[in-house]
Amino acid sequence: EVQLVESGGGLVQPGGSLRLSCAASGFIFSSYAMSWVRQAPGKGLEWVSSISGSGGTTYYADSVRGRFTISRDNSKNTLYLQMNGLRGEGTAVYYCAKGSMVRGVNDAFDIWGQGTMVTVSS
Amino acid sequence: EIVMTQSPATLSVSPGERATLSCRASQSVSSNLAWYQQKPGQAPRLLIYDASTRATGIPGRFSGSGSGTEVTLTISSLQSEDFAVYYCQQYNDWPRTFGQGTKVEIK
Repeated sequence: EVQLVESGGGLVQPGGSLRLSCAASGFIFSSYAMSWVRQAPGKGLEWVSSISGSGGTTYYADSVRGRFTISRDNSKNTLYLQMNGLRGEGTAVYYCAKGSMVRGVNDAFDIWGQGTMVTVSS
Repeated sequence: EIVMTQSPATLSVSPGERATLSCRASQSVSSNLAWYQQKPGQAPRLLIYDASTRATGIPGRFSGSGSGTEVTLTISSLQSEDFAVYYCQQYNDWPRTFGQGTKVEIK
């Protein structure tokens, strides 16, 4: 079964840091781009960042560029999101999502994790 | 940035009726568009990709059409489990962008 399981969320003060993880199983992890998408309470979906299967190419939303870093460890089938300089608008459920095509570039997100909640508050 | 605009914001439909959801892009996204369904407390689920291809396991009552700047999701006969929020998303360009969502509620 293809599965994504996020962890690492929690309460953090403004300006603080947090690292999210996403453990993947049931597919050849290194063959697929992976992404992070967040959803603030009661709001819509916001794409945050994506990384190619090899990890060599990364993309970021303007709202997080320079503060967040996406990475992956293909030997551990795990995706990460290092979040620094967190702000109140970072309060959201963070989902990891799998690209739908092998070695895809322009592809949809076909598998989503259950999400991990990040709360930025003093 | 490509802005995705969904309409209507809320759609009230009776079970068994047809629902038509629209999504407009501020510039062409070709067919690089997906539709997702999200129920309360759950992660989004991919319904349609490449504008008109149903994802694995998605019932035939869901169909997508259109390309370029105008795409449509049609649910031919609404079932009770279809009442949810639906999002369109373009993956033609960076940053990836989502519409604001259409809530399909029971009339």
